[in-house]
Amino acid sequence: ELKVEQNPLFLSMQEGKNYTIYCNYSTTSDRLYWYRQDPGKSLESLFVLLSNGAVKQEGRLMASLDTKARLSTLHITAAVHDLSATYFCAVDVGNTPLVFGKGTRLSVIA
Amino acid sequence: KAGVTQTPRYLIKTRGQQVTLSCSPISGHRSVSWYQQTPGQGLQFLFEYFSETQRNKGNFPGRFSGRQFSNSRSEMNVSTLELGDSALYLCASSFLPQETQYFGPGTRLLVL
Repeated sequence: ELKVEQNPLFLSMQEGKNYTIYCNYSTTSDRLYWYRQDPGKSLESLFVLLSNGAVKQEGRLMASLDTKARLSTLHITAAVHDLSATYFCAVDVGNTPLVFGKGTRLSVIA
Repeated sequence: KAGVTQTPRYLIKTRGQQVTLSCSPISGHRSVSWYQQTPGQGLQFLFEYFSETQRNKGNFPGRFSGRQFSNSRSEMNVSTLELGDSALYLCASSFLPQETQYFGPGTRLLVL
């Protein structure tokens, strides 16, 4: 059974600081996704990572994938308040359903 | 392009009742998945449909059922509601299975 673990689950960051969210998964994956969810809202797709060494960047967020380590990271650069949200990674393996991590609740404070 | 739509957005029911939730995917998308989101359990997979066929089913009791129509719209039904069914139910669509899923706004169900 595929397991997806995110850490930390809660993260309080100061504006302007950098931090990384980690996503570990237990079996070989076809692709890995990162989603963002604002309070009371739905999930917004951020990145899809398809192969070992893949790196995607959008604004202050950068995601990477190491399939050998079964690890993806979401790096936040110079955090701003607008990045406050819950971030989920999700792993796709073959024809099985997407499995989500428990999410990292990020709070950016002044 | 319009996004995924879900109706109703909010619903209050009492224990023992049944409920039907509806999802209209993004135009052209033929794959629809349903998820239940709760604070305690996080995001849990319910069903996946593609071209009117159920491809996968999550580990939920038989009270949870779903279907997909020829126009790719999907419904899920929960019978004999229990308090623990209170949750945000999210629908997601993709052009094909195993492609990026785009989520709807969700239906927030409260069971009293």
